[in-house]
Amino acid sequence: GAVVSQHPSRVICKSGTSVKIECRSLDFQATTMFWYRQFPKKSLMLMATSNEGSKATYEQGVEKDKFLINHASLTLSTLTVTSAHPEDSSFYICSVQQGWTEAFFGQGTRLTVV
Amino acid sequence: GENVEQHPSTLSVQEGDSAVIKCTYSDSASNYFPWYKQELGKRPQLIIDIRSNVGEKKDQRIAVTLNKTAKHFSLHITETQPEDSAVYFCAASPPGTASKLTFGTGTRLQVTL
Repeated sequence: GAVVSQHPSRVICKSGTSVKIECRSLDFQATTMFWYRQFPKKSLMLMATSNEGSKATYEQGVEKDKFLINHASLTLSTLTVTSAHPEDSSFYICSVQQGWTEAFFGQGTRLTVV
Repeated sequence: GENVEQHPSTLSVQEGDSAVIKCTYSDSASNYFPWYKQELGKRPQLIIDIRSNVGEKKDQRIAVTLNKTAKHFSLHITETQPEDSAVYFCAASPPGTASKLTFGTGTRLQVTL
């Protein structure tokens, strides 16, 4: 299956700053990637669908200006949390779609905003 | 959109016993139903999945059943072991993709000695 690498695995930032999270598909060209958010002891919530070469599709309630997604190449999608606040602290995880097969997840990024 | 409900939220069983986790979904168009195991701070790991053209699938100690009419599916783990302890999520995906997932709320399984 696809190998997905997410970076960084952990990040601590100050309120008001921006943080970029990278999701790389190491062995597969992914036209579509998905970004999820998971609060402690909660489920994974789909935030947006990242489409290579076009705008991301955001789920209802997700602020697109807050969570900027760029999918500039077939192997890289980035999620930038802008003007971060403590309530943005969460576990962010991406997944890659490889045709009609299972989802392949990155290892996740734990963001802490202080 | 799709809504997936999962029960129970916590489940404690003795080693060797069976565990059953149930999920219901709302969108009759969903046709792919994976189950994931997630350990603390780690990525979800697929343990078994089923597509809507199949009613049951088994892989060693793990089985999944699907009732399309009732829109529910279940995970069955037999002969549980301590290493089965984790959080389990069911999910549903619409046609054409296996990655745009709506997850259930999760079940924390504890297997005690």
